[in-house]
Amino acid sequence: DMKVTQMPRYLIKRMGENVLLECGQDMSHETMYWYRQDPGLGLQLIYISYDVDSNSEGDIPKGYRVSRKKREHFSLILDSAKTNQTSVYFCASSFGTGVYEQYFGPGTRLTVL
Amino acid sequence: KTQVEQSPQSLVVRQGENCVLQCNYSVTPDNHLRWFKQDTGKGLVSLTVLVDQKDKTSNGRYSATLDKDAKHSTLHITATLLDDTATYICVVGDRGSALGRLHFGAGTQLIVIP
Repeated sequence: DMKVTQMPRYLIKRMGENVLLECGQDMSHETMYWYRQDPGLGLQLIYISYDVDSNSEGDIPKGYRVSRKKREHFSLILDSAKTNQTSVYFCASSFGTGVYEQYFGPGTRLTVL
Repeated sequence: KTQVEQSPQSLVVRQGENCVLQCNYSVTPDNHLRWFKQDTGKGLVSLTVLVDQKDKTSNGRYSATLDKDAKHSTLHITATLLDDTATYICVVGDRGSALGRLHFGAGTQLIVIP
């Protein structure tokens, strides 16, 4: 069963706290992504990972970092969260880049107070 | 600047009616275009992908067209069901390689009423 999981699904943090969002996939996909989705905007790419320890910045990487130590697992870290990082975060994975279909997780709704 | 514009922003139809969603883009180059369905509180699920200069696809009650000359795509939903209530997102890929980026539209919110 092809699946992308995200934990936690909901998270409330105070400004300045650290945040860890976790993503897993069971399809042995090489490529994984972190996006954020804000009302009225299209998804914005934060980071892309081409494989273990092979990560590249996306369009809005400032304030975020990632870790990929196993192919099936990709983490998004917010060091000292800010209120403008309140958003819904989506993880996705795909066999490759370009036209390959991306499979999305259910999202994590993060609120930073 | 938004490079993928979707219209309408929202749409209400009665169950059984047909509807058409539009996607206009300025992304260059335009390698492919994909339509996703996003149920409320869920992730995106791919409906179809269009690749050719003038392309058409069909997936059950969903059919889509792409005209790269006009940089325009449509998603047709036939005989809508209540479960079609969702946000439909148009995504343009600018290359078919690892150097490529995906450009997401903000989506059309479709509500199907009984």
